[in-house]
Amino acid sequence: DVKVTQSSRYLVKRTGEKVFLECVQDMDHENMFWYRQDPGLGLRLIYFSYDVKMKEKGDIPEGYSVSREKKERFSLILESASTNQTSMYLCASRRTGLLYTEAFFGQGTRLTVV
Amino acid sequence: RKEVEQDPGPFNVPEGATVAFNCTYSNSASQSFFWYRQDCRKEPKLLMSVYSSGNEDGRFTAQLNRASQYISLLIRDSKLSDSATYLCVVNINMRFGAGTRLTVKP
Repeated sequence: DVKVTQSSRYLVKRTGEKVFLECVQDMDHENMFWYRQDPGLGLRLIYFSYDVKMKEKGDIPEGYSVSREKKERFSLILESASTNQTSMYLCASRRTGLLYTEAFFGQGTRLTVV
Repeated sequence: RKEVEQDPGPFNVPEGATVAFNCTYSNSASQSFFWYRQDCRKEPKLLMSVYSSGNEDGRFTAQLNRASQYISLLIRDSKLSDSATYLCVVNINMRFGAGTRLTVKP
C-alpha cells in the first residue's frame, strides 16, 4: 500500500519562527511536490523536485524554501513564519517517465501561525 | 490567465441527477490529465485519468477536448456519497484547478 506521510497533522507556530514541514514517501518516487490549499484558491504549487537534490519553484515560492537530500524525503521550510502562511499544506509524490502517473498525497498539515 | 481554471460551484443537485464539470487549461503541450476527488478535511485522491478518446468508469465519464483545451467530468445518477470537491489537474506540470464543490441532496 502506497504511503506519503507528513510529519504533523496540526502545527501552531509563532510569527518569525523557522518552521520545518516534513514529507516522506515509501514508493521510490522521483517527483515530489509541496502545495498549500486555501479556501477558494485550490491547491497552489509552492515548490517541486524532480529528483534528489533538485528543486524548482512553483507558483508561490516566496517565503519558502525546500530541501531534498534523500529520495524519500522532501522538506518545506518557512524561513520566518508569518500569519499569511497559515494554511493547509499538502505534499505529493509520483513516479516519473510515464504519461499517466498518479500523484499520491499525504494527509496534510494544518499550520497556524500566531 | 491561470493555467487551469474550474467553475468553483457550488453545485447543489438532487440524488439521481446528472451533473457535469468543466476544466480549461492553457498549456497546449499538456498531454495527460486527471480528476481527483477531495472529501472535507481529507487529502485529494485520484478519481480517474482522462484519456484522449474519453473514458468511463461506472457512473463517471471523463472527456478531453484538445481543440478547445478543456476536460470534463460527467456524473450520472448522483449519490449522496458523491458530495465532495472535484479537482482537475494537468499532469505535465502538476497544476490543479481550484476545485468544484458538489453537494448531492436527498
